[in-house]
Amino acid sequence: DAGVIQSPRHEVTEMGQEVTLRCKPISGHNSLFWYRQTMMRGLELLIYFNNNVPIDDSGMPEDRFSAKMPNASFSTLKIQPSEPRDSAVYFCASSFSGRERSPLHFGNGTRLTVT
Amino acid sequence: AQKITQTQPGMFVQEKEAVTLDCTYDTSDQSYGLFWYKQPSSGEMIFLIYQGSYDEQNATEGRYSLNFQKARKSANLVISASQLGDSAMYFCAMREGRDNAGKSTFGDGTTLTVKP
Repeated sequence: DAGVIQSPRHEVTEMGQEVTLRCKPISGHNSLFWYRQTMMRGLELLIYFNNNVPIDDSGMPEDRFSAKMPNASFSTLKIQPSEPRDSAVYFCASSFSGRERSPLHFGNGTRLTVT
Repeated sequence: AQKITQTQPGMFVQEKEAVTLDCTYDTSDQSYGLFWYKQPSSGEMIFLIYQGSYDEQNATEGRYSLNFQKARKSANLVISASQLGDSAMYFCAMREGRDNAGKSTFGDGTTLTVKP
């Protein structure tokens, strides 16, 4: 059974460029989460979806960040324009809502470097 | 206010010894779940163990057990017979609400180093 798949694994871009991170959740999972991890701020929840609908985007830093989930098997996180302070590891995770003990299943993350 | 507090930034343990990683939480919900995850140096996040707020027994999974003290709002992870491969960062997380669709809030993590 394939886990959560994120692409790319690494992204290096220049300030001002658009960045798109991609995520394929585990088949059958109906909740999807985007987290950002930095040394300074730890693991922060950016946004989460339930049944493809955004439920809470209060963690999205600013309007430069946007996320979509057009169907149950795909989500994107876009940063436009990117800034050096966006450098971090971005994790996508999925779980099955409706099952109390369902943990988060994380992808391997995308390490973003903005120069 | 921080919902999940892990007070130990770093811990050391001798191989084959047991170690306890502390976690306290803050919630007004009656229904919630507590999770522990492991993040090795390679970066992936691995689920270890779960404790539900209504569970009467402490959770156990192999060498991992959870010392759940509901009145004190603590959910400490105990790793028995530590192995070198246990060296990693460990995160405590809480998910509030019975419908389980809610977000998980993470602590700052504890870095565990197992000494040979």
